Amino acid sequence: EPEVTQTPSHQVTQMGQEVILRCVPISNHLYFYWYRQILGQKVEFLVSFYNNEISEKSEIFDDQFSVERPDGSNFTLKIRSTKLEDSAMYFCASGGRAGGSYGEQFFGPGTRLTVL
Amino acid sequence: SQQGEEDPQALSIQEGENATMNCSYKTSINNLQWYRQNSGRGLVHLILIRSNEREKHSGRLRVTLDTSKKSSSLLITASRAADTASYFCATDGMGYNKLIFGAGTRLAVHP
Repeated sequence: EPEVTQTPSHQVTQMGQEVILRCVPISNHLYFYWYRQILGQKVEFLVSFYNNEISEKSEIFDDQFSVERPDGSNFTLKIRSTKLEDSAMYFCASGGRAGGSYGEQFFGPGTRLTVL
Repeated sequence: SQQGEEDPQALSIQEGENATMNCSYKTSINNLQWYRQNSGRGLVHLILIRSNEREKHSGRLRVTLDTSKKSSSLLITASRAADTASYFCATDGMGYNKLIFGAGTRLAVHP
């Protein structure tokens, strides 16, 4: 069964460094998302992406964050200058396959980002 | 906010028992989804129920939705130790908007 994949599974970085988190959504899906979950807290929406542009973003998604779909398969989240509070599990999700149930979002396994 | 909130926060049962988790939300929705998360792992999609549906089944899972009370319940029948995980409800509005997650219910199923 198709699934969302994410790399790396764990990323450790120094404060102020740039990180790029990578995702391969399910083929034929049209909508892509990033969420994050700080340890012990709720899953929070960051950004949604459709038709090669951001469709919605949260207040968390400030100028330090950017997303890109550089080719037909990858979807990336870049954090330009990481802060300690960016430490979290980052989830990619996709949805909207042709003929699929309206609104379902399927999540990847996550990338655990640790900022030191 | 369309925030979903689950209760109880934690549930501990024996294998073979049924587990019921509840979710409440605040605004109108198009659908409500339930997810499972094993400790430190990814979110597994369990079931989606639309606002015009009242009940849905998938294997040992039964989900109900009461839009008049803005609440949903997830029932796991004949629980197994492998069902031990956190369970989250997530609501959205129109189309493919963001999902709003609740804080989750931590379920522990003891052999």
